[in-house]
Amino acid sequence: GEDVEQSLFLSVREGDSSVINCTYTDSSSTYLYWYKQEPGAGLQLLTYIFSNMDMKQDQRLTVLLNKKDKHLSLRIADTQTGDSAIYFCAESLSGGYNKLIFGAGTRLAVHP
Amino acid sequence: GAVVSQHPSWVICKSGTSVKIECRSLDFQATTMFWYRQFPKQSLMLMATSNEGSKATYEQGVEKDKFLINHASLTLSTLTVTSAHPEDSSFYICSASTGPIQNQPQHFGDGTRLSIL
Repeated sequence: GEDVEQSLFLSVREGDSSVINCTYTDSSSTYLYWYKQEPGAGLQLLTYIFSNMDMKQDQRLTVLLNKKDKHLSLRIADTQTGDSAIYFCAESLSGGYNKLIFGAGTRLAVHP
Repeated sequence: GAVVSQHPSWVICKSGTSVKIECRSLDFQATTMFWYRQFPKQSLMLMATSNEGSKATYEQGVEKDKFLINHASLTLSTLTVTSAHPEDSSFYICSASTGPIQNQPQHFGDGTRLSIL
């Protein structure tokens, strides 16, 4: 079955770039999502990419996809303290539906 | 755009009572809605998927008589936790999408923290 794995914790200095990594297992065409969760809140959709794309950029966010290795990364440029949160990688279920398989989440801590 | 409102944000009630949580899509029609449960420091666990006008599809291990889901309109889904007990205490999050297919992303509400005494 599908599985999504993420590293659990990342600490960066304010102003540096953050790179959050994710691996997935589904080999069929799929959508891959990045969500952000702040304490006590729901999930905010940051960006998503289809599995036939290599890269997607949206302001400070860059998503890179290595299809061969089934590796997805989210790069946040010029990381700010407001970026401190948990970042979830998610893969849509095979079969064309938008039911999601979530990773465990990466806690990003930004320090001065 | 794509705003989902969830209400209440926090509820505390006595064991044995039933609690209703509402999930509304404010600026789009949500054909499909999802209900999740999240334990502290853990990922989201999908409880059920509902399509407007149809019965909800529950994930394995989720009691449908315990967690009643109603998706009667294109902008509203409700989750009722019946006869709640302390083990039902959790963070419940809903999401909504314009449809069930892959390129229709889920948009999430802010969650409801349920505490059963």
